[in-house]
Amino acid sequence: DVVLTQSPLSLPVTLGQPASISCRSSQSLVYIDGDTYLSWFQQRPGQSPRRLIYKVSNRDSGVPDRFSGSGSATDFTLKISRVEAEDVGVYYCMQGTRWPTFGGGTKVEIK
Amino acid sequence: QVQLVQSGAEVKKPGASVKVSCRASGYTFNNYGISWVRQAPGQGLEWMGWISVYNGNTNYAQKFQGRVTITTDTSTSTASMELRSLRSDDTAVYYCARDRGNILSGYFFDFWGQGTLVTVSS
Repeated sequence: DVVLTQSPLSLPVTLGQPASISCRSSQSLVYIDGDTYLSWFQQRPGQSPRRLIYKVSNRDSGVPDRFSGSGSATDFTLKISRVEAEDVGVYYCMQGTRWPTFGGGTKVEIK
Repeated sequence: QVQLVQSGAEVKKPGASVKVSCRASGYTFNNYGISWVRQAPGQGLEWMGWISVYNGNTNYAQKFQGRVTITTDTSTSTASMELRSLRSDDTAVYYCARDRGNILSGYFFDFWGQGTLVTVSS
C-alpha cells in the first residue's frame, strides 16, 4: 500500500496567519494517464469530508482561493494563505493513483 | 446539484451483517463509480472498495476482501455496501463518495454522502 505521511499532526494558527500542511508519499503518485491523483480534504467537526483540491493543485468549485495545493511525485503541500475561523477542522491528503489511501490527518485549530 | 443520501444509523450484534445504501441524484449515475470509506470514532479515513456503475467492476481493499460486497441498482440510482461477520471494531461512520467511472482515471472522491453510523455491540 502507498503510505502517506502528513505533518504536523496538530497546527495551532492565529487568525489571519498562513498555515501549511505537508504530505509525503512512499511512492510516486503519477498515474498511467500522466496525472497525479493527490487530493486534499477538509473535515469540519461533525461533518463529512469535503474535497478542496484535486490532482495536486486544482481547487474545487466553491473553495476559497486562500487554499492552494502544490507539489509533485512524492512531496505535496496544502497552504492556507490567511486562516479564518471556518477553516478549523481536520485536513487529510489522499492518493488515488493506486488503491486509495489517506494521510493520518492534521488538526487545524485557532490559537 | 450532486447529492448522495445514505440510509440511517444501524445497531448490529457481532457476527451479523449490515447493508448501507447511498442514493445518488443530480448527475448521470452510470457515468461514475462509487467508493465506500469508513471512519472509526476519533480516527482517520479508510477506503473499503469501489464499483463502476457502468459495468459493475469492483475493487476491494485487501483488508475487507471476502467480507464486503458493493452493488448498484441503476433503476434507482442507488449503491449499496454490505459488510458481513461484523466485529466491534467495525463500529464506524460509513461514507459513500462519487468516484471514477472506470480505470482510465485515478480515484477522486469528489462528492460525499452524509455518513451512516454503524454500531456493533452485543
